[in-house]
Amino acid sequence: QVQLKESGPGLVQPSQTLSLTCTVSGFSLTSYDVHWVRQPPGKGLEWMGGIWGDGSTAYNSALKSRLSISRDTSKSQVFLKMNSLQTEDTAIYFCTRLDAWGQGASVTVSS
Amino acid sequence: DVVLTQTPVSLLISLGGQASISCRSSQSLVHSNGNTYLHWYLQKPGQSPQLLIYQVSNRFSGIPDRFSGSGSGTDFTLKISRVEPEDLGVYYCLQRTHNPPTFGGGTKLELK
Repeated sequence: QVQLKESGPGLVQPSQTLSLTCTVSGFSLTSYDVHWVRQPPGKGLEWMGGIWGDGSTAYNSALKSRLSISRDTSKSQVFLKMNSLQTEDTAIYFCTRLDAWGQGASVTVSS
Repeated sequence: DVVLTQTPVSLLISLGGQASISCRSSQSLVHSNGNTYLHWYLQKPGQSPQLLIYQVSNRFSGIPDRFSGSGSGTDFTLKISRVEPEDLGVYYCLQRTHNPPTFGGGTKLELK
């Protein structure tokens, strides 16, 4: 059974760095791409970036300068790091294979 | 980046009725390999999105045949027939033909 689960801090201070982990099961990271998608409160979905089975990455151009996605295949984990957080980065952050989604991690940027 | 425009933004439908949602792309979504990577999702209240339709018209595992997708090039449609209470939520289209992937703005399906 394909599963993805996000973990990380629920509260981040402005200007700090967000670190989220996606732990997957039921499939291999070397065979499938995994993406991060976020959703600000009451708004739509925004694709942030992804890491492909061969390890290559792609990013939303609006976030590229602040965002990094990496993985540890031995632990079946995908990592998101985004720096210089602002209040507008408050959102639910989803880890997804695009045919299967995690439950989402709620992140609030506030002092 | 490819812009996907969904219409309408909201839709009021009676139970048992039919809904139709449009997704128009700023450029053709036909990939160089001949496939069209346009997908449809439903996000029910308080839940993660779920895949309904992939590559224009293919129902994902477990999706009832009340859901159907059609279209080509830049114009795509999701139809929901015999609307049931569990169909309510926000529908999104997503294109993966061009990088970066982009979502439509969403269409909220509500009961009349």
